[in-house]
Amino acid sequence: SQQGEEDPQALSIQEGENATMNCSYKTSINNLQWYRQNSGRGLVHLILIRSNEREKHSGRLRVTLDTSKKSSSLLITASRAADTASYFCVAETSGSRLTFGEGTQLTVNP
Amino acid sequence: EAGVAQSPRYKIIEKRQSVAFWCNPISGHATLYWYQQILGQGPKLLIQFQNNGVVDDSQLPKDRFSAERLKGVDSTLKIQPAKLEDSAVYLCASRPLVLTDTQYFGPGTRLTVL
Repeated sequence: SQQGEEDPQALSIQEGENATMNCSYKTSINNLQWYRQNSGRGLVHLILIRSNEREKHSGRLRVTLDTSKKSSSLLITASRAADTASYFCVAETSGSRLTFGEGTQLTVNP
Repeated sequence: EAGVAQSPRYKIIEKRQSVAFWCNPISGHATLYWYQQILGQGPKLLIQFQNNGVVDDSQLPKDRFSAERLKGVDSTLKIQPAKLEDSAVYLCASRPLVLTDTQYFGPGTRLTVL
């Protein structure tokens, strides 16, 4: 069953703008992770936020988690063309099971 | 530190044929995952190993897919016989036993079934 569901499915912005992607999930989680996948390349871990955390930063990335709403958001500030990729949220539930969403395709135009 | 290794990188087979994929996780990583990623979709977990034991194989089509992780290190995923809808990228990932750490993905094997 689908756990993480990203919104929007696709996002196109200009270089320098901020990009916000949202994720909703269905059951209780241990943590929520965000990954990036460039076209034809592997998955790269971006950031992990635990269920008892509300916000986390890493470089130009900011992740929030609202467990009452079962939702998370990923903000990329000052976007670059190299940020063009698919972004997936991954919900980790008990037993260290990880469930991917369908992803948001981000296009950053130069 | 060497990453997760997978082979082959690409495979083209006819339907009803068999195929096997190999994964070598990062040294010392207790947990190993196999995912199937169909074009345009997110990866779907097929099977999860903890050392050489299966933790979760609820989404593995067991009539045609099988996986093993002998000695708790390398793993193989087999499809027999393959169907057209098995065309996908098969991703292997590994993770340390400490669950606060993340999983590390291999480059994947792109399978095309004709």
